[in-house]
Amino acid sequence: GQNIDQPTEMTATEGAIVQINCTYQTSGFNGLFWYQQHAGEAPTFLSYNVLDGLEEKGRFSSFLSRSKGYSYLLLKELQMKDSASYLCAVRPSGGSYIPTFGRGTSLIVHP
Amino acid sequence: DGGITQSPKYLFRKEGQNVTLSCEQNLNHDAMYWYRQDPGQGLRLIYYSQIVNDFQKGDIAEGYSVSREKKESFPLTVTSAQKNPTAFYLCASSSDRPNWNNSPLHFGNGTRLTVT
Repeated sequence: GQNIDQPTEMTATEGAIVQINCTYQTSGFNGLFWYQQHAGEAPTFLSYNVLDGLEEKGRFSSFLSRSKGYSYLLLKELQMKDSASYLCAVRPSGGSYIPTFGRGTSLIVHP
Repeated sequence: DGGITQSPKYLFRKEGQNVTLSCEQNLNHDAMYWYRQDPGQGLRLIYYSQIVNDFQKGDIAEGYSVSREKKESFPLTVTSAQKNPTAFYLCASSSDRPNWNNSPLHFGNGTRLTVT
């Protein structure tokens, strides 16, 4: 089985930097995804990590440490539109390969 | 533009009635999925299908049924046996070919079902 933990809610100020952590325990690992979901809308894909290290994509970066079962999503130069839920999902190795989602972190950006 | 279409966006039903949620994709994806999302909970997998005419139960399949007669379509029926059907339902698809295991899920905009 898999266990994925994320903080429930975070707040930050417009223009600042925020780091959203995700820890996981899994019997096999084959990649970690981050999605953004605005209220009442579809989750949209942000990033994928399968090897250790940092993947940078514009204002968003994602980091993975497989030995620690740990990932974070880093959002820079926060904008009001970044207020959303951020979902961490882990893909297992073997079996169906279908990702399991964490409960999501609700990020509130204040002016 | 390719994408996933779920309809309707809002659906209201009386308790005891079966209801079918539509999901259509034109991304030519082999795999399709149904998730349920409740407040404070992550996405929970109901059913998935990796190929036409085949589907598998997810973590919370009880009270639901699906069919996969066409590659493009994966409708979900919420039956009267589902104890707590009121939820936000998300359909997704992904490529399932070589190097597919890093293919992200593409989601529809969801259907919010309310059963009273």
